[in-house]
Amino acid sequence: DVKVTQSSRYLVKRTGEKVFLECVQDMDHENMFWYRQDPGLGLRLIYFSYDVKMKEKGDIPEGYSVSREKKERFSLILESASTNQTSMYLCASSSLPGYTFGSGTRLTVV
Amino acid sequence: DQQVKQNSPSLSVQEGRISILNCDYTNSMFDYFLWYKKYPAEGPTFLISISSIKDKNEDGRFTVFLNKSAKHLSLHIVPSQPGDSAVYFCAASKSRGSQGNLIFGKGTKLSVKP
Repeated sequence: DVKVTQSSRYLVKRTGEKVFLECVQDMDHENMFWYRQDPGLGLRLIYFSYDVKMKEKGDIPEGYSVSREKKERFSLILESASTNQTSMYLCASSSLPGYTFGSGTRLTVV
Repeated sequence: DQQVKQNSPSLSVQEGRISILNCDYTNSMFDYFLWYKKYPAEGPTFLISISSIKDKNEDGRFTVFLNKSAKHLSLHIVPSQPGDSAVYFCAASKSRGSQGNLIFGKGTKLSVKP
């Protein structure tokens, strides 16, 4: 089975901090995704990547950036965390029949 | 503009009865549809999918129905169990598999009461 691992389950950060969320998949998949989940808003795509060093903006990229230096690792970066970025962040790797998600990182920005 | 809509934010069902979760889509280019289940503090897990060449796909207690002319799909859970209580997300893609980005609905929270 594909395993997608997010390094932290819970994070608390201060406003203005630079935050790194790490995601690793173990099946050599080319496609990886970052979503955030908020009540009433569902899953919204932040960024995705089709290959190493490639990245594409999703629906809500503002305030975020990503890094894909190795195929198995896809990092989400909050350049200067703000309280409206408090959310559940979900990483996914593309596999048939659908995506495989990590367990999520609950980020709270205070 | 929402391309995948789940118009019911919540649904409550008695244990043993049928749960029906609905999903509508607007983009006729979508040809692959999936349902995910999500428990609190966990990532979504794949439940069942259907290709546009089919109108029904069944897996145990879960059946997904697709009505392409109405751009509507539904997930039936029979019989419903308390462990089915979760948020269910409908998702659609323009191509099956890894190259198509999934577009998700906002989710429906299902509560199955003992």
